[in-house]
Amino acid sequence: DAGITQSPRHKVTETGTPVTLRCHQTENHRYMYWYRQDPGHGLRLIHYSYGVKDTDKGEVSDGYSVSRSKTEDFLLTLESATSSQTSVYFCAIRDGRESEAFFGQGTRLTVV
Amino acid sequence: SQQGEEDPQALSIQEGENATMNCSYKTSINNLQWYRQNSGRGLVHLILIRSNEREKHSGRLRVTLDTSKKSSSLLITASRAADTASYFCATSHLAGNMLTFGGGTRLMVKP
Repeated sequence: DAGITQSPRHKVTETGTPVTLRCHQTENHRYMYWYRQDPGHGLRLIHYSYGVKDTDKGEVSDGYSVSRSKTEDFLLTLESATSSQTSVYFCAIRDGRESEAFFGQGTRLTVV
Repeated sequence: SQQGEEDPQALSIQEGENATMNCSYKTSINNLQWYRQNSGRGLVHLILIRSNEREKHSGRLRVTLDTSKKSSSLLITASRAADTASYFCATSHLAGNMLTFGGGTRLMVKP
């Protein structure tokens, strides 16, 4: 299995609180992605990174920010969590644009 | 709306039958990929087809790509109960670094 771990795996938080999800890889892959998965919507891209300190917005970036200060870590932050951000979040990595992606096991976030 | 859309959204077949899933996308691509997801798990890569390829095989999987129609299909032959899962297509965009997914097809294979 590709060396990619997400933490935490489960989190319950209150509306209005900040939340940070972490994606850690040991593969030295250049690209890292954050997705959310909701019933009826498949996977939607939130933000992605193509190198240290190089990030860009995806399809559903409002309310989310990211940071990548090291190759191995990609952080997703919900500045002020809302109930609409209740979802399962997946991190993925890939070596290049011609490569397959490897996924983490997901983080189930519930905002109450 | 999403870059890729799968059709059908759900498919139920008997073991031994073939399953065909279709994917349509909107922008120009480097390649198109298919993934599988078992319930409650992360996605696992199945097969990648480049934009200059028209067909690719891997075991019981056959993928076709028609860039003029911006569509792809995944065929699983001689299905097994263990093939029960959700299947997603993903497009690697020609411009930029995005990898975007469709809504998926839920496949149920009855023993």
